[in-house]
Amino acid sequence: NAGVTQTPKFRVLKTGQSMTLLCAQDMNHEYMYWYRQDPGMGLRLIHYSVGEGTTAKGEVPDGYNVSRLKKQNFLLGLESAAPSQTSVYFCASTPVRMNVGTEAFFGQGTRLTVV
Amino acid sequence: AQSVTQPDIHITVSEGASLELRCNYSYGATPYLFWYVQSPGQGLQLLLKYFSGDTLVQGIKGFEAEFKRSQSSFNLRKPSVHWSDAAEYFCAVGANNNDMRFGAGTRLTVKP
Repeated sequence: NAGVTQTPKFRVLKTGQSMTLLCAQDMNHEYMYWYRQDPGMGLRLIHYSVGEGTTAKGEVPDGYNVSRLKKQNFLLGLESAAPSQTSVYFCASTPVRMNVGTEAFFGQGTRLTVV
Repeated sequence: AQSVTQPDIHITVSEGASLELRCNYSYGATPYLFWYVQSPGQGLQLLLKYFSGDTLVQGIKGFEAEFKRSQSSFNLRKPSVHWSDAAEYFCAVGANNNDMRFGAGTRLTVKP
């Protein structure tokens, strides 16, 4: 049982390039989330999904797009990368809404550097 | 809006010493509160959570936390720290929507 798997684990992009981060979960969870982690700021929610075919904005959505075409996958896209998007990105999934006290399961993170 | 403050960015304790990590939250109702731990290069792992009942909650790895409504706090404690506890610790509060707000984290260093 792999849990939550993120690919790639590391990536270096040039400013203006695009890329897609993939998150896959094998726990049949309805809810999936993308966070970014920056020093001194903890984790901030970028986008989330409450089920297949749905997406919603989080706290810091600008510059990112997401898609949830399959229940087990949640993709995070950067159309035109900027140095401000240098960060560690975490995907998480939950069986029900995160705010009802359920445990969130996290991937190992993707370290993205934009030069 | 809900928020979480972890006043200590970095704490160093000796192995075998007791530990307390502070967490203060701001939220209008009874919150759902969590502590997560992140080991180097890893994702976050849940240590414990509180959403009702006994205000002293036990977690994994010998950790406990106490919810104090009057102080808006949810401090994490461990009576005797092990070298393997060196990690970053995040306090989080569940929100009205599907979000969860995380604190900035406290990095724990354990001296031999």
